[in-house]
Amino acid sequence: QKEVEQNSGPLSVPEGAIASLNCTYSDRGSQSFFWYRQYSGKSPELIMFIYSNGDKEDGRFTAQLNKASQYVSLLIRDSQPSDSATYLCAGRNSGNTPLVFGKGTRLSVIA
Amino acid sequence: NAGVMQNPRHLVRRRGQEARLRCSPMKGHSHVYWYRQLPEEGLKFMVYLQKENIIDESGMPKERFSAEFPKEGPSILRIQQVVRGDSAAYFCASSGTGRSGEQYFGPGTRLTVT
Repeated sequence: QKEVEQNSGPLSVPEGAIASLNCTYSDRGSQSFFWYRQYSGKSPELIMFIYSNGDKEDGRFTAQLNKASQYVSLLIRDSQPSDSATYLCAGRNSGNTPLVFGKGTRLSVIA
Repeated sequence: NAGVMQNPRHLVRRRGQEARLRCSPMKGHSHVYWYRQLPEEGLKFMVYLQKENIIDESGMPKERFSAEFPKEGPSILRIQQVVRGDSAAYFCASSGTGRSGEQYFGPGTRLTVT
């Protein structure tokens, strides 16, 4: 059974701080990982994807992947109240196979 | 609008009726995925289709649910004889080719069964 685990939160951080969101996965065959942001009542919005070990940066967001530890993380620098949402971690095998999602972590950025 | 389109956005059905959900993928995308999200739960994969082919339907209940992606027109997820437990948000995502094959989601259809 392929599983992706996330702490449900809520994770509360003050405005301007770094938010760290973590995710572990059970399937060693997983090749690519995706972070989505989902506001309440809305659809998931792709933030970043990563498939190589190490860090990948895009603006205020950094995704980190450690395949040996089966661990993925998302760092949000200079957190803003508008970042308050549920963050979904997803993994997949190679190609266009379906995504396996975690249940998401609720982030609350306090002004 | 070059994004993934879904309609209707909200659908109310009585128990026993049929629900038809439609999805048009992003321009240039040929892979379509349907996911279901129950309240306070994560997204669960249902079915993966390409034009005229079901590639993977391992997440779709064997009874009452069916999906298609015809040569012309949108992909359709069909739920026959709906029950209250079918009430959920149904999201469609599409992807193109390429190594990452990132999926982009439509706005979803919120199905309520009364």
